[in-house]
Amino acid sequence: GAGVSQSPSNKVTEKGKDVELRCDPISGHTALYWYRQSLGQGLEFLIYFQGNSAPDKSGLPSDRFSAERTGGSVSTLTIQRTQQEDSAVYLCASSVGGNYGYTFGSGTRLTVV
Amino acid sequence: AQKITQTQPGMFVQEKEAVTLDCTYDTSDQSYGLFWYKQPSSGEMIFLIYQGSYDEQNATEGRYSLNFQKARKSANLVISASQLGDSAMYFCAMRDPPDKLIFGTGTRLQVFP
Repeated sequence: GAGVSQSPSNKVTEKGKDVELRCDPISGHTALYWYRQSLGQGLEFLIYFQGNSAPDKSGLPSDRFSAERTGGSVSTLTIQRTQQEDSAVYLCASSVGGNYGYTFGSGTRLTVV
Repeated sequence: AQKITQTQPGMFVQEKEAVTLDCTYDTSDQSYGLFWYKQPSSGEMIFLIYQGSYDEQNATEGRYSLNFQKARKSANLVISASQLGDSAMYFCAMRDPPDKLIFGTGTRLQVFP
């Protein structure tokens, strides 16, 4: 597609439930990144994919967080047993790599109640 | 590890005036890249400008220019002729090898008439 697409745009879930966030990157972009932005804060790196493999998972906050990417394209970020501190905007970005800038999606706003 | 510091939580500027947003960085790498992004209230991250460490000239993109001072490890963003639509959060970022960006905490710019 023309841009990075994320779904859903908003998600309200009850504490303890699992959620899946989806990212559809720009066609041909081999690198895909997940970031988290809490209210009024900067961007916190979560995980990065090169193709289908994740060379850097260092930012995942706990083992409740996992992500996968299939076919070198769509990625899913899964949060199990959600907690209130998971409430944030989850941003996905894709890139051709190197020193080219990322293209970000519009984000998924997750609210855990 | 790379580090980005933005010391101005908020800045005000009058329409049509120029404004400088500060960014300092720390890295032991010789080759690196610096980025600036804009995040309006709608939430999307918009790539503005890129500067490579070996670029001899400061990067410019329209009304945006990057004042790159390598010895001081600073990469300040200069916005000339500010417009009301420039009101947003601005993030400085640099590449943390091999391929992820790390972001500063951001500066909120408000342009007033």
